[in-house]
Amino acid sequence: QKEVEQNSGPLSVPEGAIASLNCTYSDRGSQSFFWYRQYSGKSPELIMFIYSNGDKEDGRFTAQLNKASQYVSLLIRDSQPSDSATYLCAVNNAGNMLTFGGGTRLMVKP
Amino acid sequence: ETGVTQSPTHLIKTRGQQVTLRCSSQSGHNTVSWYQQALGQGPQFIFQYYREEENGRGNFPPRFSGLQFPNYSSELNVNALELDDSALYLCASSRGGGTETGNTIYFGEGSWLTVV
Repeated sequence: QKEVEQNSGPLSVPEGAIASLNCTYSDRGSQSFFWYRQYSGKSPELIMFIYSNGDKEDGRFTAQLNKASQYVSLLIRDSQPSDSATYLCAVNNAGNMLTFGGGTRLMVKP
Repeated sequence: ETGVTQSPTHLIKTRGQQVTLRCSSQSGHNTVSWYQQALGQGPQFIFQYYREEENGRGNFPPRFSGLQFPNYSSELNVNALELDDSALYLCASSRGGGTETGNTIYFGEGSWLTVV
């Protein structure tokens, strides 16, 4: 059973702070890793994906991957109230078939 | 705007009925995957279609079936609806499939199904 684990939260951070979202996965053969943002009642929106160990930055977002520890994280700098949403970690084991975690609810307080 | 369109957006069905959901993939994408997302949970992989063939399947019963057409659009069919089938059904579009690993996977807006 391939599993992806996330803390359900809610994770509460003040406006302007760094939000750190974490995800662990069980399948060592996993090839790529995705972060999606999902607002209540909406579909998942792709934030970014990462393939290689290390950091990948895109604007205020940084994805970090550590394959040895089977750990992927998402950092959101200068968090804004509009970042309040559920963040879904997804693992692509092969062929673009994703296994999702349960999501972490982020609350950014003004 | 992902270029992935789904229809209908909302529908209500009675237990035992059948439903068909539709998805048009993003231009240039030849792979369509379907996911079910129950309230408060992450999406669960149902199956994937690549070049009109089912390419992979999650832990869903055979009453969940699908098709992919030559233009890469797709349908999800669910027979003998059960109350637990009430969920958001998501279509995901990507390039590749099989042994290829595409770069981006985009979701449509989803179809909300309520079974009463």
